Amino acid sequence: AQKITQTQPGMFVQEKEAVTLDCTYDTSDPSYGLFWYKQPSSGEMIFLIYQGSYDQQNATEGRYSLNFQKARKSANLVISASQLGDSAMYFCAMRVLVDEKLTFGTGTRLTIIP
Amino acid sequence: DAGITQSPRHKVTETGTPVTLRCHQTENHRYMYWYRQDPGHGLRLIHYSYGVKDTDKGEVSDGYSVSRSKTEDFLLTLESATSSQTSVYFCAISPVPTGLNTEAFFGQGTRLTVV
Repeated sequence: AQKITQTQPGMFVQEKEAVTLDCTYDTSDPSYGLFWYKQPSSGEMIFLIYQGSYDQQNATEGRYSLNFQKARKSANLVISASQLGDSAMYFCAMRVLVDEKLTFGTGTRLTIIP
Repeated sequence: DAGITQSPRHKVTETGTPVTLRCHQTENHRYMYWYRQDPGHGLRLIHYSYGVKDTDKGEVSDGYSVSRSKTEDFLLTLESATSSQTSVYFCAISPVPTGLNTEAFFGQGTRLTVV
């Protein structure tokens, strides 16, 4: 069974600084995909970025990038130049090829300080 | 935005009563999921469906049942609600993956309180 671990329950970051949210995963399946979702205080789940296990390069989407270290089984989300609107819960998730379940971590609550 | 609607959005019910939550989609996606979100636990999968009348259990399925009689609707039933089922419930949908990069789209959530 696959498992996602997010070890940072909460983080406080100064506005305009870069922030890294940690995510480690565990699976025996060589084919998998990693996702990050953002959940603002309004409650909706917003897809941010995806990384495939066979992707050679780290994924980037605007200010979001994924620091993928396959050997260490980590998929950290990096937000550059943080903004007040980045304050939210962030969830790391994984899907493996053999089943269609999307498994989530426990989340990190990010607070951006003006 | 993906066409996915959860109803009701809020519900307060008494212990021991049955409760049904509905997830309705207009995207004709094959996969539908029910998650519950609790502080400190993230989102945990309750049940999911990979087609009409095809469902399977997730990691926290005890006390819950599901039904999917047509593509667009996925119902989650608490047969006899308990206080431990107080939570926020999310429905998600996903098309047949053309690759692992197929994301899931989420509904707005249902806040259920069992008193």
